Amino acid sequence: NAGVTQTPKFRVLKTGQSMTLLCAQDMNHEYMYWYRQDPGMGLRLIHYSVGEGTTAKGEVPDGYNVSRLKKQNFLLGLESAAPSQTSVYFCASSYSGGSQPQHFGDGTRLSIL
Amino acid sequence: QKEVEQDPGPLSVPEGAIVSLNCTYSNSAFQYFMWYRQYSRKGPELLMYTYSSGNKEDGRFTAQVDKSSKYISLFIRDSQPSDSATYLCAMSERAGGSYIPTFGRGTSLIVHP
Repeated sequence: NAGVTQTPKFRVLKTGQSMTLLCAQDMNHEYMYWYRQDPGMGLRLIHYSVGEGTTAKGEVPDGYNVSRLKKQNFLLGLESAAPSQTSVYFCASSYSGGSQPQHFGDGTRLSIL
Repeated sequence: QKEVEQDPGPLSVPEGAIVSLNCTYSNSAFQYFMWYRQYSRKGPELLMYTYSSGNKEDGRFTAQVDKSSKYISLFIRDSQPSDSATYLCAMSERAGGSYIPTFGRGTSLIVHP
């Protein structure tokens, strides 16, 4: 039972390049989330999904897109990377929203030069 | 002012000390409260989960909620160097729907031998 798996673990991009971060969960959770974590800023919600085929904006959605084509996968895309998107990205999943604890992956460390 | 306030620390204590970590909040509708522990270069993991007011104990850890003061605490007894991590509080208004937990920024704890 792997829980929440994020790929890749590390990536360096040049400004303007695009990439997709993949999150996979094997717990049959309905809800999935993408956060970014920056020093002194805590976890900030980028986008989330309440079920297959649905997505919604979080606190800091600009510059990111997401897709949830399969229940177990949640993809985060950067169409044109900017240095301000240098961060550690965490994916999480939960059985439902609100009261249910989230299960986190170990993060993707992304540097934009 | 953020909905959830948490002192970032760092909090440095000697091994064996009792540690008190705290969060204050402004939304009186919060009723689900969680504490996560995050080791360096890892994702947050759920440590404690409580509903409404009162105390919950699990081994060396005690979570306390005081809804009248809008204040939650995590106590760690007989602290160990392995407890050195960042501790994040999270809280939510209700179950289900699209309610997403709100996180504090985290407190860095260092337990030195």
